[in-house]
This record gives sequence, C-alpha cells and structure tokens, in this order.
Amino acid sequence: EAGVVQSPRYKIIEKKQPVAFWCNPISGHNTLYWYLQNLGQGPELLIRYENEEAVDDSQLPKDRFSAERLKGVDSTLKIQPAELGDSAVYLCASSPGLVDTQYFGPGTRLTVL
Amino acid sequence: GENVEQHPSTLSVQEGDSAVIKCTYSDSASNYFPWYKQELGKGPQLIIDIRSNVGEKKDQRIAVTLNKTAKHFSLHITETQPEDSAVYFCAASRGGGTYKYIFGTGTRLKVLA
Repeated sequence: EAGVVQSPRYKIIEKKQPVAFWCNPISGHNTLYWYLQNLGQGPELLIRYENEEAVDDSQLPKDRFSAERLKGVDSTLKIQPAELGDSAVYLCASSPGLVDTQYFGPGTRLTVL
Repeated sequence: GENVEQHPSTLSVQEGDSAVIKCTYSDSASNYFPWYKQELGKGPQLIIDIRSNVGEKKDQRIAVTLNKTAKHFSLHITETQPEDSAVYFCAASRGGGTYKYIFGTGTRLKVLA
C-alpha cells in the first residue's frame, strides 16, 4: 500500500514569495491533516479536512495561508507571501476517518531566505 | 489549553540497555495515545498506540503503559539497537477518529554501539 505522498520534499524561496505544497493521502482515507513542525518541536495541526470540507482550521493563519482539497482526495497548502518565520517542515497526514491512527507523509522542508 | 509534556528531551543509552520516555497530558478526556518515531528527513511513523481502556500494550521490544489517574503514559524500549536512534513523539487525543492530536515536544534517543 502506498503511503502519504508529498511534494516537493524541499523548497527554498525568498521572503514575500508564494509557495505551495501538495499532498496525496493514502487511498480511501477521507480525513486529511496539514501539520507544521518547527525544529525540535512536535507537529502542530494547521487544518483538518473531512473529504473536501475543512472542519478544523482554527490554527491556520488565514492572512497568508490557504488550503484546498477540491475533490476530497489530494490537497494543496499555500503560503502567500512567505515570511522568514515560516521556515519549517510541513507535514501531511491522513486517516480512514473512523479510526484514530494518522499516517504521515515525509514532509516538505521549507526554507525562507 | 491542552498540552502534553514529554521527558527527557534527549536520552543516550548503551546498546542492549532499556530506554524509557514519559509523557503527561492535561486533557482528562484524552483516550487515545500513539507514539511516533521520526528519523532524520522523514515523517513520523507510528510504532505503537494505546487506548484508555488498556493499561499496557507490548509489541516485541516496545511497550507502552498508561496511568489514567495520573494522566501519564510511557514508552519502554528494551534491548535497544543502533537503529532505534531517532526522535520519538508521544501524542494524546480524544479519539473518535477525527479529533486532533496534541503532540509532545519529542525525545531524541541515541543508542551507543
């Protein structure tokens, strides 16, 4: 079974530039999560989707961050414009929805210069 | 707010010795407790989990214990091997398949050969 796929794996941009991350969850997983992981810290939830509906986006900085999951499968997280403090690893996870276990992708390491 | 404290932040053990990592959670409604292992450049991988109706769970060299009264749970790794070296994260959740995880801050385990 293929795991959660994320791309790109690494991204280096200058501040004020836009950036987008893509995630393809495990097949059949209705719930998709985006997490932010700062260096030396545990992941923190940014947004959770149930199919195509964002059901928890309370931690998403909506002034510069946006996300979408148009067909209830893959998802895109966007930052515009990026700031120096956005440098971190962005993790995507998915779960079947009715069970608790979340499966994580490899993450995208963002460096903002 | 909800939080999970994790100790120690770093742990070095000799190969073959045991390692113990402890977590304390604040949300008394938490009932699902996964442990993740994160290797350098990779996403977190589930290694074991426990639910609140169980006090202990084992899987080969790994075990997790839960004390609901004290609101703490621990990861035990026996007969450690160099490949156990990684960062380990605990998490707590209210469960139900869609409730968010609250992660600890991680423990960097080094197994010395």
